Amino acid sequence: DIVMTQPPLSLPVTPGEPASISCRSSQNLLDSEDGNTYLDWYLQKPGQSPQLLIHTLSHRASGVPDRFSGSGSGTEFTLKISRVEAEDVGVYHCMQRLDFPYTFGQGTKLVIK
Amino acid sequence: QVTLKESGPALVKPTQTLTLTCTVSGFSLSTSGVRVSWIRQPPGQALEWLARIDWDDDKFYSTSLKSRLTISKDASKNRVVLTMTNMDPVDTATYYCTTMFRGRDWFDPWGQGTLVTVSS
Repeated sequence: DIVMTQPPLSLPVTPGEPASISCRSSQNLLDSEDGNTYLDWYLQKPGQSPQLLIHTLSHRASGVPDRFSGSGSGTEFTLKISRVEAEDVGVYHCMQRLDFPYTFGQGTKLVIK
Repeated sequence: QVTLKESGPALVKPTQTLTLTCTVSGFSLSTSGVRVSWIRQPPGQALEWLARIDWDDDKFYSTSLKSRLTISKDASKNRVVLTMTNMDPVDTATYYCTTMFRGRDWFDPWGQGTLVTVSS
């Protein structure tokens, strides 16, 4: 199975400041056949189900503000928030869907300072 | 509007079999490209993908839980059912169903989740 790692588990941020959340995979998530990198990001706000933020490495889901961006390659990935807002608090999960079984990182909890 | 809703027992005893139902609306389970997955999350822990069933009845399972899981669907009733045998307290979790569509190979949307506690 592909192992996903997300250090740190908690990330304190100041509103208006940028934030970066890291994710690492144990295998390259690039599909050599179609050139896509199958890494997605989900945000789970307090008391809610996860919601799609970014799919296929860098594509924002419908309705997601452009302050969110996804990047990376191979086995190292980053979700960036250009200016954190209070509504961004929650747990950010990365997930790979290159191979079965799909696997998630441990999640990074974004908290407001 | 696409929605999914999980249902099942809130409490099961150790060694019992858990049966969960995901009822979908706004789409058909028979439509080409539709794939429904079950994912769980123990309290305060990470998400864990469990199983997936496709429109053509292909099935995929978690490596570690494969021997305990069965996923099935009844398209006429818009339902996907997951059974998990030999439940243990470590299986206490919120269980979610979610879906993928053709050309949209990511999980969106998700159901609200259902909390299952395993305790005697």
